[in-house]
Amino acid sequence: DAKTTQPPSMDCAEGRAANLPCNHSTISGNEYVYWYRQIHSQGPQYIIHGLKNNETNEMASLIITEDRKSSTLILPHATLRDTAVYYCIVFTGNQFYFGTGTSLTVIP
Amino acid sequence: DTGVSQNPRHKITKRGQNVTFRCDPISEHNRLYWYRQTLGQGPEFLTYFQNEAQLEKSRLLSDRFSAERPKGSFSTLEIQRTEQGDSAMYLCASSLVTTGHEAFFGQGTRLTVV
Repeated sequence: DAKTTQPPSMDCAEGRAANLPCNHSTISGNEYVYWYRQIHSQGPQYIIHGLKNNETNEMASLIITEDRKSSTLILPHATLRDTAVYYCIVFTGNQFYFGTGTSLTVIP
Repeated sequence: DTGVSQNPRHKITKRGQNVTFRCDPISEHNRLYWYRQTLGQGPEFLTYFQNEAQLEKSRLLSDRFSAERPKGSFSTLEIQRTEQGDSAMYLCASSLVTTGHEAFFGQGTRLTVV
């Protein structure tokens, strides 16, 4: 059962911010939101995670709505190497529930 | 390289044969996951270990599948009597048992059953 819903694809101009939305309306109070990306069928790569508060690291920012039913991953200055499939994931403490992801294409 | 290591990277086998994959997690990580990914889909959970104990198995893990993690270190995933529907990427990940700690994935083993 899918716990997250994402648009199947998005484009972003190089150097601009990429905003990737995710719906997780059935998330429980103790479940985390994680974001991973996958390039060229390699293993998924961790980006960021959060529970309630907004988070920022060297790769991205994660904005979680107050009701926790949705979130947005922000890549502040997209580069061509950011072209990948981005997965929004709910982590229950036992499992990472992947959706079908958003294929992000960064355009020169 | 101190990341998660999976071997082999690719495996082609005939239908009906048995195959075994190995995963070496990051050394201090005590949790280990197995996932399966088919073309165009996100990874699907198969099972996970905490140290040597297998704590949860997906209904996707049929009787032909078995996973072990002796001594809480490396893990093996065996598929008996392979079927064409088993063709997929098998991913291993490891993490610390800390809520909110990221899991590190290996490069996966791509299985093709012919």
